[in-house]
Amino acid sequence: DAGVTQSPTHLIKTRGQQVTLRCSPKSGHDTVSWYQQALGQGPQFIFQYYEEEERQRGNFPDRFSGHQFPNYSSELNVNALLLGDSALYLCASSALGGFRDPYEQYFGPGTRLTVT
Amino acid sequence: AQTVTQSQPEMSVQEAETVTLSCTYDTSESDYYLFWYKQPPSRQMILVIRQEAYKQQNATENRFSVNFQKAAKSFSLKISDSQLGDAAMYFCAYRSAFTGNQFYFGTGTSLTVIP
Repeated sequence: DAGVTQSPTHLIKTRGQQVTLRCSPKSGHDTVSWYQQALGQGPQFIFQYYEEEERQRGNFPDRFSGHQFPNYSSELNVNALLLGDSALYLCASSALGGFRDPYEQYFGPGTRLTVT
Repeated sequence: AQTVTQSQPEMSVQEAETVTLSCTYDTSESDYYLFWYKQPPSRQMILVIRQEAYKQQNATENRFSVNFQKAAKSFSLKISDSQLGDAAMYFCAYRSAFTGNQFYFGTGTSLTVIP
């Protein structure tokens, strides 16, 4: 049973460019949340997708957008990259929006984004 | 918004000894869930232990236990018989019982285990 997978592992982009990160949830999970973890900080919630819609959003600008596909996988898109966007981006999956089982949030290994 | 505070950026413990990591949180909600996650150098966040706010009994998971003080909004993690594999960043996290499953994380405590 595969856990949460993310691609790519590492990514280097130039300021102003756009980037797409991908996440496949754990088998049986239908909800995907994205977190940004800056160096030396805890993860910060970006947004959550359930039933192909953005259900909840943290305090991030519109440059951060996402998508969820019918197979529950998800993409995180960041436009007009800034140096401050350099971080580890974590994807977490859960089942049925997490309301029935609040413990069922599994994290992927993350994508390390470096903006130069 | 809920905030989670970890006031110990770094901690160290001798192998086989016991260490306690501190966490406080701020919320006006009556029901919520608290978690400790471990993040080794591999970067994958691993759930260590969890606690439902409505339960008075402190959660225990093998060598890991918590001291949950709801009135004080404190949630510390005790690691007994520390092992080299326990070395990692530890994050305390909060999740509301009402408003979705967004997790609020503290800034983490880096734990070093000394052989």
